[in-house]
Amino acid sequence: TQLLEQSPQFLSIQEGENLTVYCNSSSVFSSLQWYRQEPGEGPVLLVTVVTGGEVKKLKRLTFQFGDARKDSSLHITAAQPGDTGLYLCAGASYSGGYQKVTFGTGTKLQVIP
Amino acid sequence: DSGVTQTPKHLITATGQRVTLRCSPRSGDLSVYWYQQSLDQGLQFLIQYYNGEERAKGNILERFSAQQFPDLHSELNLSSLELGDSALYFCASSVGASDTYEQYFGPGTRLTVT
Repeated sequence: TQLLEQSPQFLSIQEGENLTVYCNSSSVFSSLQWYRQEPGEGPVLLVTVVTGGEVKKLKRLTFQFGDARKDSSLHITAAQPGDTGLYLCAGASYSGGYQKVTFGTGTKLQVIP
Repeated sequence: DSGVTQTPKHLITATGQRVTLRCSPRSGDLSVYWYQQSLDQGLQFLIQYYNGEERAKGNILERFSAQQFPDLHSELNLSSLELGDSALYFCASSVGASDTYEQYFGPGTRLTVT
């Protein structure tokens, strides 16, 4: 069974601080996505990383895929209250000829004004 | 707006009852996924359909079933409902044919079993 562990599970920080969220697995993924979910709504796709070592930036968010494609990180610079939400990583792989997606355990971020 | 629609938005029913949740994928997407999200279990994958056929199964109970119709919309049927089935149920869709795999989620259906 593939597992994606995210850490920390919960993070509460002041506006303007930096933070990093980690997504780790013992399995290799063909691609990895990061989503943000606000209460009562569906997860919204932020980014997809495909190549080992790949780094993608989305404004103040920086995403990195590990060299071995088993882990990923999300770094937020100068966090804003609008960044508050549940951050989920999701790894895609092939199993039995079919694509399979595994979601991480989630990191709940609270940015205090 | 992801382009994925789900109905109803809220559903309140009693234990032992049966409900049907409906999902319309984004235009052009062939894959539909169903997820259950509760406070203590996170986002749990239930089942995937691709172009009308079941493609993958996750932690779906035998009391639950799903199907995808020729117009690609999907329904999730939940029967003999229990209190523990109360949760948010999300549908997601993707093109389903690419290795660069991305899912787009609907707004969810909140099911409350009393």
